[in-house]
Amino acid sequence: EAGVAQSPRYKIIEKRQSVAFWCNPISGHATLYWYQQILGQGPKLLIQFQNNGVVDDSQLPKDRFSAERLKGVDSTLKIQPAKLEDSAVYLCASSFTTGDEQYFGPGTRLTVT
Amino acid sequence: QKEVEQNSGPLSVPEGAIASLNCTYSDRGSQSFFWYRQYSGKSPELIMSIYSNGDKEDGRFTAQLNKASQYVSLLIRDSQPSDSATYLCALHSGSARQLTFGSGTQLTVLP
Repeated sequence: EAGVAQSPRYKIIEKRQSVAFWCNPISGHATLYWYQQILGQGPKLLIQFQNNGVVDDSQLPKDRFSAERLKGVDSTLKIQPAKLEDSAVYLCASSFTTGDEQYFGPGTRLTVT
Repeated sequence: QKEVEQNSGPLSVPEGAIASLNCTYSDRGSQSFFWYRQYSGKSPELIMSIYSNGDKEDGRFTAQLNKASQYVSLLIRDSQPSDSATYLCALHSGSARQLTFGSGTQLTVLP
């Protein structure tokens, strides 16, 4: 069974530029999550989708971050404009449904200069 | 108080010893508990889940849960250098079953 796919794996941008990340969950998983992990910390949930609806986006900085999951499968996370403090690894995870075990993709390492 | 607290370490154990990783949490309503392993530069990998009080064993790993004490632990028997990683404790909290992570404990197994 294929795991969670993410792209790109690495991205370097200047502050105030925009960036987008893509995620394809495990086949059949209804719930998709985006996390931000800063070095030395545990992952922090940014947004959680159940199919194509948002379940929780309470920690998403909505003035600059947006995410969508239009057809209930793939998802994109966008940052516009980026700030230096957005430098982190962005992890996508999926689960069969809300509350189930979550499986992570390889992540995208973002560096904002 | 942080929702999920772990000793940041680093924790060093000799090869073949038992490594004990501990986690405390503040939300008494938490139902599901997970241990993830994260190698440097890699993403978290699920190694254990536990839902009820007591012990759960899977190979060299044993998870222990005590809801009354709000405490969950992971024991790694016969530790190997390949077990050297950061171990993240996580639990479901809130009505949306949001997964909340601790900051992780860095484990080093010395050959």
